[in-house]
Amino acid sequence: QKEVEQNSGPLSVPEGAIASLNCTYSDRGSQSFFWYRQYSGKSPELIMFIYSNGDKEDGRFTAQLNKASQYVSLLIRDSQPSDSATYLCAVNTGNQFYFGTGTSLTVIP
Amino acid sequence: GAVVSQHPSRVICKSGTSVKIECRSLDFQATTMFWYRQFPKQSLMLMATSNEGSKATYEQGVEKDKFLINHASLTLSTLTVTSAHPEDSSFYICSARDASSYNSPLHFGNGTRLTVT
Repeated sequence: QKEVEQNSGPLSVPEGAIASLNCTYSDRGSQSFFWYRQYSGKSPELIMFIYSNGDKEDGRFTAQLNKASQYVSLLIRDSQPSDSATYLCAVNTGNQFYFGTGTSLTVIP
Repeated sequence: GAVVSQHPSRVICKSGTSVKIECRSLDFQATTMFWYRQFPKQSLMLMATSNEGSKATYEQGVEKDKFLINHASLTLSTLTVTSAHPEDSSFYICSARDASSYNSPLHFGNGTRLTVT
């Protein structure tokens, strides 16, 4: 079983819609959770992090964490074509970071 | 915010030569840095974990004699691809986290695109 699982997509949403990205992890001892965005040919950039159960909002982005279900999600409201990218879920356990394979998102104008 | 600087951004070299890639944390100290490789349309693959002042830890299948890692200071790690071959052509990305901050995220350099001819 992989440490971090993501649906690879592709996920397509129309402009202005809500995009929902999901991630599950296997280690209950994981402490912190991150979402990165990676444009084609570029390196990942951090967009959100969450440590506690519940929701965390930052602009159009909301991260949700449910440790009991070992589930992390990212919601993107009012999706824009510029949000089209691959979104990577990352989980920190001890001194190690485990990445999912990423979900490809396309926002259709 | 935390910045990781990676150089060069792009390098073309001939088969058999060696290439050194530098990764610097500009405004924080990093006891651990991570080196990744990414082939087109594939996910990030962790190559090795670089530990300041000690030997790097390599992932299974990564040749430590081919990919030399040096982490001589708290702000600098280098990856040297020795005797490069065309199959080593890839996107190499380093990352680091602030050692002074618990739960701090990984910050990535801009990556190095290596082409071996």
